[in-house]
Amino acid sequence: SQKIEQNSEALNIQEGKTATLTCNYTNYSPAYLQWYRQDPGRGPVFLLLIRENEKEKRKERLKVTFDTTLKQSLFHITASQPADSATYLCALVRDDKIIFGKGTRLHILP
Amino acid sequence: DTAVSQTPKYLVTQMGNDKSIKCEQNLGHDTMYWYKQDSKKFLKIMFSYNNKELIINETVPNRFSPKSPDKAHLNLHINSLELGDSAVYFCASSQDIGGSTDTQYFGPGTRLTVL
Repeated sequence: SQKIEQNSEALNIQEGKTATLTCNYTNYSPAYLQWYRQDPGRGPVFLLLIRENEKEKRKERLKVTFDTTLKQSLFHITASQPADSATYLCALVRDDKIIFGKGTRLHILP
Repeated sequence: DTAVSQTPKYLVTQMGNDKSIKCEQNLGHDTMYWYKQDSKKFLKIMFSYNNKELIINETVPNRFSPKSPDKAHLNLHINSLELGDSAVYFCASSQDIGGSTDTQYFGPGTRLTVL
C-alpha cells in the first residue's frame, strides 16, 4: 500500500541555522509533491510545489528537492527564525489523488 | 475577504445526533474537498467534488454525505454521530484536480467534538 513518511514528529533547530525536513514515500509515483505549513488551530497553507521532472525549487528562504530515485523530498528553511515554528506537511499528487504525510513539528529555538 | 470559509468553527454534540458543516469558497475554483484531521494530526481526504460532481469518495462511512449545491459550496452532513467522528474537518478548494493547479486552499477547520 502507498506510504508517506516524514522524518520525525518534532524537530528542534537553533535560530539562524538551516532546518531540513524529510519526506519519504513508497509504492507511489507522484507527479507532483507539495509542501504546506500548518499553524495550531489553522488550516494548512501551501508553500511550494515541485514536479517529478524538477530537482530543486526555491522560494525566498525555502528550498525543496525531489529525488524520484530515492523517493524522497527534502525541505530546507535557511536562516531559520522563531516565526518559522509550525508543522510542515508534505503531500503527494498524481492524477486525482492526493496523500498527505503526518507532518513534522518544527521548533526554532531563540 | 476569506478565500475558503467554514461554519461553524466549533461543534459540540451528543452521540447519535445529525449535524452539518458548511463550506464556501470565493476563489472561483472548480474543485472542493473535505478532509478529516484526527487527534494524531493525520490529514486524510474524504471527498472531492469537481463542478458539483463527486470525484473522490474515500472509504468513509455512508453516515457522511457531502452536498454541493453549486461549485462555490460543499457542505458535509453527518448522520448518527459517533465518538470516533471527533476530529477537525477541513474544507479545501483547488482550481483543478490532479494537475499543477491543484494547490489546495484550506478553510480554518471545524472542530467537532462528539460526547
